[in-house]
Amino acid sequence: GAGVSQSPRYKVAKRGQDVALRCDPISGHVSLFWYQQALGQGPEFLTYFQNEAQLDKSGLPSDRFFAERPEGSVSTLKIQRTQQEDSAVYLCASSSRLVFANYGYTFGSGTRLTVV
Amino acid sequence: GNSVTQMEGPVTLSEEAFLTINCTYTATGYPSLFWYVQYPGEGLQLLLKATKADDKGSNKGFEATYRKETTSFHLEKGSVQVSDSAVYFCALIFYTGTASKLTFGTGTRLQVTL
Repeated sequence: GAGVSQSPRYKVAKRGQDVALRCDPISGHVSLFWYQQALGQGPEFLTYFQNEAQLDKSGLPSDRFFAERPEGSVSTLKIQRTQQEDSAVYLCASSSRLVFANYGYTFGSGTRLTVV
Repeated sequence: GNSVTQMEGPVTLSEEAFLTINCTYTATGYPSLFWYVQYPGEGLQLLLKATKADDKGSNKGFEATYRKETTSFHLEKGSVQVSDSAVYFCALIFYTGTASKLTFGTGTRLQVTL
């Protein structure tokens, strides 16, 4: 596609519910990132994929967070047993470059998750 | 560790006023520096970048110069418009050995009024 597409745009979950957030990167982009943006804050790194390999998951806040990219294109971020502190905008970004991404990434519009 | 510090907002200006949003960074090595903009209801868009010291990034009338001696990357525009109202994020990117990670500041909201 022309840009990074994320779905759903908005998600309301009851505390304890599992959620799955989808990211469709730009076609052919090998690098894919997930970021979490809390209200009034800058985005914070969660995890990074190079094709289907998850090379860095150091930013995932707990073992309730899980991300996958099984075929090296679409990625899913899953949050189990959601808590109120998980409420945030989850951003996906992709890049055609493997390393030294001096040109930055292309971001999607994000999924706003609200846990009630 | 690597970090970015931005001036707090909101910054409120009249149309055609001069804009400066301060950004300083802490990093090992020489990261690339970016300004991203987030319009209401939209995702982050790359506004401009600089990859080495003394580089000037520019786009849509906005400019920022990579100052290694002051570890700064201040955003400027000579004459703002109402359509520039948005949140602006300063960021740096560095390679960890496995990924090139963006580290963002907390963002500065700009409000431009007629």
